[in-house]
This record gives sequence, structure tokens and C-alpha cells, in this order.
Amino acid sequence: DAKTTQPPSMDCAEGRAANLPCNHSTISGNEYVYWYRQIHSQGPQYIIHGLKNNETNEMASLIITEDRKSSTLILPHATLRDTAVYYCIVRVASNDYKLSFGAGTTVTVRA
Amino acid sequence: DADVTQTPRNRITKTGKRIMLECSQTKGHDRMYWYRQDPGLGLRLIYYSFDVKDINKGEISDGYSVSRQAQAKFSLSLESAIPNQTALYFCATSDRTGGAYNEQFFGPGTRLTVL
Repeated sequence: DAKTTQPPSMDCAEGRAANLPCNHSTISGNEYVYWYRQIHSQGPQYIIHGLKNNETNEMASLIITEDRKSSTLILPHATLRDTAVYYCIVRVASNDYKLSFGAGTTVTVRA
Repeated sequence: DADVTQTPRNRITKTGKRIMLECSQTKGHDRMYWYRQDPGLGLRLIYYSFDVKDINKGEISDGYSVSRQAQAKFSLSLESAIPNQTALYFCATSDRTGGAYNEQFFGPGTRLTVL
């Protein structure tokens, strides 16, 4: 599975959009981009995934560049409860057991 | 009630003791996983099981063993605990449908301290 690079931390004001970048320059054509988050010491929680089209659900939007070498997770209206570590994971769909969590991005939403 | 439960939630033990961490799920999923998390690090896969008769080692299985007693239960054992096994342990489950959408559902975690 391709390696991902995320900034270690970022701050966001409550009510504003939070844009979380992820670089995956070695991504293969059959690899998906997944995002999970982990609120302090709780189990990780799935957010969204995508292959090449932009995706949106009730939690977030995922924007994948045309060359697929990077992506951005957007939390449209960040709340204090969105403070968490966000993990960007790249893997092929068939390797569903291989959730390889790196250090992620620690997002702090401030009032 | 939570779909994925872990017991105990916290445990302090001594070096050399045998410890069992238990995981139960009511989601009806075939696949179950054990991860450990060390401070400031991501999760690392210890063992995973695709069904009751299928057990597979993950990336850090040394010093651990598992038992899949039933579809809904997956236990992790430390035969002789050592201090560097002090960590936060998570159990997770996923459906067997495969494909791109294969969300893993995590339990609340067990904080284990080995003195």
C-alpha cells in the first residue's frame, strides 16, 4: 500500500471549514483513499473514502486531485467535538484488513 | 448498547503474568481484528480473523496469541506479559462483503499497564 504524508497538527476555528491535506504520491490506480479519525483514546471512526471522484457524506467531503497524488478532507463546519487525530490511509480494496495507521494529523478546534 | 465491547477497560498487571483481553460484537460481522496503540503513534495490527476457523498474524504478533471462540468473540492473550506491552488495545470488526467500502468498527479500547 502507498505511503501517506500528513502534517502533524493544525488548528481550526469553531464554525469554520477545516481542510486536512494528505499526500500519497506513490498511489496506484487500484488504491483507494480512506479517512478515519480518533477522538482522544477512543476507537478510530471511519469518515469517508474515495477512488478518484470527489465524495461527500454527512460528516465530510473528500477532494482528490486529478493525478490522485494528494487529497483533502474537508470538515465543512468544524465543532469542538471534531477535535481528534485524523488518519489518511491508502490501500487496495481487497486488502480490507490492512488499515495501516500512521501518526495522522492532530486537529484542534478552538472556540 | 455498544456494538463492539471490550473487557476489561483498564488492567494493571505484573511482568510474567498471563493476561486475556476479550472482545465481543453484536454486529454479526465475520471479520475481527486486534490492534495496539502506543502513545503518539498510530495503530498496529496484531492479529486478525476472517471467520471462526481463520486466524492470521498481523505486523506485531510476537508475544501475543488469539482465540476466536465464536463469530462474535475474539480474545487476545499475553502469555507472559512484559512492560513494553503496555499500550492501548483495540478490537475491531468488519463485514465480509469486501470491495472498497469495508469500514472497520472499533471497540472502546483496553488500557493495559504491565509493571
